[in-house]
Amino acid sequence: AQSVTQLSVSEGALVLLRCNYSSSVPPYLFWYVQYPNQGLQLLLKYTSAATLVKGINGFEAEFKKSETSFHLTKPSAHMSDAAEYFCAVSAPNDYKLSFGAGTTVTVRA
Amino acid sequence: GAGVSQSPRYKVAKRGQDVALRCDPISGHVSLFWYQQALGQGPEFLTYFQNEAQLDKSGLPSDRFFAERPEGSVSTLKIQRTQQEDSAVYLCASSFRDSSNEQFFGPGTRLTVL
Repeated sequence: AQSVTQLSVSEGALVLLRCNYSSSVPPYLFWYVQYPNQGLQLLLKYTSAATLVKGINGFEAEFKKSETSFHLTKPSAHMSDAAEYFCAVSAPNDYKLSFGAGTTVTVRA
Repeated sequence: GAGVSQSPRYKVAKRGQDVALRCDPISGHVSLFWYQQALGQGPEFLTYFQNEAQLDKSGLPSDRFFAERPEGSVSTLKIQRTQQEDSAVYLCASSFRDSSNEQFFGPGTRLTVL
């Protein structure tokens, strides 16, 4: 589950959104972004291949089994990154996605 | 190509009314999901279809909620005798039946029950 619900960053600053999962078996992990009045858009996913995953819009995330984490980062925030971000997990052979509560990111000029 | 579409985008219902929410998945997607997203929360799973078969309805909150996908494409989520606690955004998602579990989401229907 995600541990931060709101995050304010300055334009050009690092964006770091945390996601920790609780599972004995490494799950599939996803980051979705939701802009106002729009559906969820997949940023990136981890499905047991490379542990460092690069996604759209300059975002990336690293799967760390020892820390049971899949934190999302972007080196330099842009105003267009203001949105709500969700971490989601599913068991490798399960179809259900379980979402965290979400993090609302605001970007200050 | 077209993404997942949902209609209506907004629905206001009086308590006790029945509502029907429609989802058009991406063409060729075998799997279809419904989620409920309460204000300030992440989406929560309601039900899952594989083609026309409803394989999991464990997330439906009560027997007032009913979903169908009779021809394996368009799906309808029906809520009978709506209550105020049903107010939420209802999201539909579809996916290929593959091992990556990547789901593509529609814009949602925002239901407000007065």
